[in-house]
Amino acid sequence: GAGVSQSPSNKVTEKGKDVELRCDPISGHTALYWYRQSLGQGLEFLIYFQGNSAPDKSGLPSDRFSAERTGGSVSTLTIQRTQQEDSAVYLCASSPRPSPRYTEAFFGQGTRLTVV
Amino acid sequence: QKEVEQDPGPLSVPEGAIVSLNCTYSNSAFQYFMWYRQYSRKGPELLMYTYSSGNKEDGRFTAQVDKSSKYISLFIRDSQPSDSATYLCAMRLTGGGNKLTFGTGTQLKVEL
Repeated sequence: GAGVSQSPSNKVTEKGKDVELRCDPISGHTALYWYRQSLGQGLEFLIYFQGNSAPDKSGLPSDRFSAERTGGSVSTLTIQRTQQEDSAVYLCASSPRPSPRYTEAFFGQGTRLTVV
Repeated sequence: QKEVEQDPGPLSVPEGAIVSLNCTYSNSAFQYFMWYRQYSRKGPELLMYTYSSGNKEDGRFTAQVDKSSKYISLFIRDSQPSDSATYLCAMRLTGGGNKLTFGTGTQLKVEL
């Protein structure tokens, strides 16, 4: 596709339910990132994939959060037993193979998660 | 204290004004500095990036990095209503991966 695609665009869930958020990166991009943007906060790094492996998952806030990537393409972020503080916009970004020099990360439109 | 500090605004200016947006940071190891623009309910899009210290100009936009002061700026000349958005500064270290550390963003409104 032309850009990074995320689904669903919006998700309302009840506290305690599990949710899955999906990201389709730009074709050929080997690096994929998940960020979280809460109201009044900047983007907070969650996890980074290079291919199917996650060399940096230091930003996942708790063991309720997990992510996987298959086929070096689609990624799913799963939040178990959702809490109200999980309400935020979850943004996915992809970039070509990282190098010591900067490579641009392209962002999707995000999934707006509301836990009620 | 956050690694990257940015005034959230909102900042309101008249059309045609020069806008100055700024961030300070604490980690002297940051080498790459970016400015992203985010329209409401959209993902951030890269506006400019700079490596190490210095200035970079692109049309109406100028990015400045002062590593000695740990201070970066984005200037917008001849601001337009279409520039109304949230501007996020972001930084990364040299090395593998592309993990970005963001400021909170400054909300800008350019009034007719």
